[in-house]
Amino acid sequence: NAGVTQTPKFQVLKTGQSMTLQCAQDMNHNSMYWYRQDPGMGLRLIYYSASEGTTDKGEVPNGYNVSRLNKREFSLRLESAAPSQTSVYFCASAEGGELFFGSGTQLSVL
Amino acid sequence: GQQVMQIPQYQHVQEGEDFTTYCNSSTTLSNIQWYKQRPGGHPVFLIQLVKSGEVKKQKRLTFQFGEAKKNSSLHITATQTTDVGTYFCAKGTGGYQKVTFGTGTKLQVIP
Repeated sequence: NAGVTQTPKFQVLKTGQSMTLQCAQDMNHNSMYWYRQDPGMGLRLIYYSASEGTTDKGEVPNGYNVSRLNKREFSLRLESAAPSQTSVYFCASAEGGELFFGSGTQLSVL
Repeated sequence: GQQVMQIPQYQHVQEGEDFTTYCNSSTTLSNIQWYKQRPGGHPVFLIQLVKSGEVKKQKRLTFQFGEAKKNSSLHITATQTTDVGTYFCAKGTGGYQKVTFGTGTKLQVIP
């Protein structure tokens, strides 16, 4: 089993560009999450999806949109990237509380 | 909602010394989870506590949930260099589904 797979692993954007981070899980989990982690900082919740067809805002949703495409996939979109969105982005899935994380996407916005 | 605060932010210990990190909330928690993140890695689940006063052990790691369910601690006995990393607590709300993380404690172990 691959667990939680994130693509891409690295990305460099210019200010104002858009992009979508992809996340897929093969554990049949209902809940999925997007977090960002800034250098030396903790994890901040951007959006989460408690089940297929639902999405909810987390702690820092501004500047992001999400799509729960199906039970396996949960994507994160930056419509107009800003330097403040330079971060490492982690996707996670969960069942019964325990979160399983992907390996992360390192995003730099210049 | 209030973020869960962790102390200390950083801790350096000599190998073999004990280490404790504390997680504090101003509100009652329904559950608390602990994760470890190695440098350059992703967070890995360690444990979940749900009952008031609960104590769980994993080898050299001891996890406690306070009687009032407002605080939790992780204690490592006789640290090893493999314990290096950042330890996060996390709380689940909205029926466990919204999971937010504490500020983390970065542990350095000096050989």
